[in-house]
Amino acid sequence: EVQLVESGGGLIQPGGSLRLSCAASGFTFSTYGINWVRQAPGKGLEWISYIDSSSTTIYYADSVKGRFTISRDNAKKSLFLQMNSLGADDTAVYYCSRGYSGSYHTPFGYWGQGTLVTVSS
Amino acid sequence: EIVLTQSPGTLSLSPGERATLSCRASQSVSGSYLAWYRQKPGQAPGLLIYGASNRAPGIPDRFSGSGSGTDFTLTISRLEPEDSAVYSCQQYDTSPWTFGQGTKVEIK
Repeated sequence: EVQLVESGGGLIQPGGSLRLSCAASGFTFSTYGINWVRQAPGKGLEWISYIDSSSTTIYYADSVKGRFTISRDNAKKSLFLQMNSLGADDTAVYYCSRGYSGSYHTPFGYWGQGTLVTVSS
Repeated sequence: EIVLTQSPGTLSLSPGERATLSCRASQSVSGSYLAWYRQKPGQAPGLLIYGASNRAPGIPDRFSGSGSGTDFTLTISRLEPEDSAVYSCQQYDTSPWTFGQGTKVEIK
């Protein structure tokens, strides 16, 4: 069974930094691209970053480019999101999501339960 | 960036009725790389439809997707109480991948 478990969320002051993790199991982690998607309270889903299986191709949404860094450790079956210069607009539940298939054009087939990041003083 | 606009914002229907949800793209989504997700309160989204019309495993045939280019539709043929949720479309054709704002389906 595919499982994705996010951790690392919490309350952080504006301007602070936080590192999220996503632990994967139940599939060959090193063969799938993984995404981070967030959802602000009461709002829709927002894709924010993608990393391919070998960390060769990385994309960011404009809203986080230059502040967030995605990375992965295939040996540890883990995905990370380093978030810097956090602002109130970054308050959201952050989900990691695996592609349905291993191809580039694939929907988000599997999701973690999410971790809440609250940016507030 | 491909902007996806969903309508209506909220749909309030009775059990057994048919629900028709629309997703319109600001530019053509090639390869029908369009998916639909269902999200219940406090839960992560779940994949319903991919490739515009293919049901994900375990999704009942009451759910169907159609469309191409810029206009896509999710139809729930016979609503059941457990279908109460927010439904979102997403394009995975061109980065940045984008989602619609969602349609809330309420069961009376």
